[in-house]
Amino acid sequence: KQEVTQIPAALSVPEGENLVLNCSFTDSAIYNLQWFRQDPGKGLTSLLLIQSSQREQTSGRLNASLDKSSGRSTLYIAASQPGDSATYLCAVKWNRDDKIIFGKGTRLHILP
Amino acid sequence: DAGVIQSPRHEVTEMGQEVTLRCKPISGHDYLFWYRQTMMRGLELLIYFNNNVPIDDSGMPEDRFSAKMPNASFSTLKIQPSEPRDSAVYFCASSLWSGGEDTQYFGPGTRLTVL
Repeated sequence: KQEVTQIPAALSVPEGENLVLNCSFTDSAIYNLQWFRQDPGKGLTSLLLIQSSQREQTSGRLNASLDKSSGRSTLYIAASQPGDSATYLCAVKWNRDDKIIFGKGTRLHILP
Repeated sequence: DAGVIQSPRHEVTEMGQEVTLRCKPISGHDYLFWYRQTMMRGLELLIYFNNNVPIDDSGMPEDRFSAKMPNASFSTLKIQPSEPRDSAVYFCASSLWSGGEDTQYFGPGTRLTVL
């Protein structure tokens, strides 16, 4: 069964620290992987999409890496800010026409 | 563009009543998705459409749920009759398949409470 797991479910970090969020997935033959952000009471916003052929993607203070062989992805957030507080979800598609499978997310709280 | 629009934003109803959730995707997008999010199960895909045609409805929990997309700019998700266990946040998302970039854009969601 294709599954996406995110551990921990919640994380608190002091402002200014660099941090890493983890995502693991079964079956390494993925098509692409995305990281989303969800603010309370809001929908999801796509942050970064990594294609199967790519190793990483960067956007501002965010860097997402992909290691298919180990079935893992990480989202690195540099110099964290209180505005980064949100739930971060990892989502995997295994084939072009497949549906996306979401992890349950990591709820991040940046302490001022 | 205004993004994906969903209505209503909140719905409170009594068990047994019919509930209709509405979605307007981003203009020009050719895929539309309906998701349900709960604390216990996370985000689950219910059904998705491509060019207004339902492609995969395997996530629809039971016959009480139905979805339609009569045209490219409108979709509905209907629950009849509703039950307390249907209480959740329902999201609509749309995307444009273009050269592998299939980022989904989510609406703000409809929070459904069935009493």
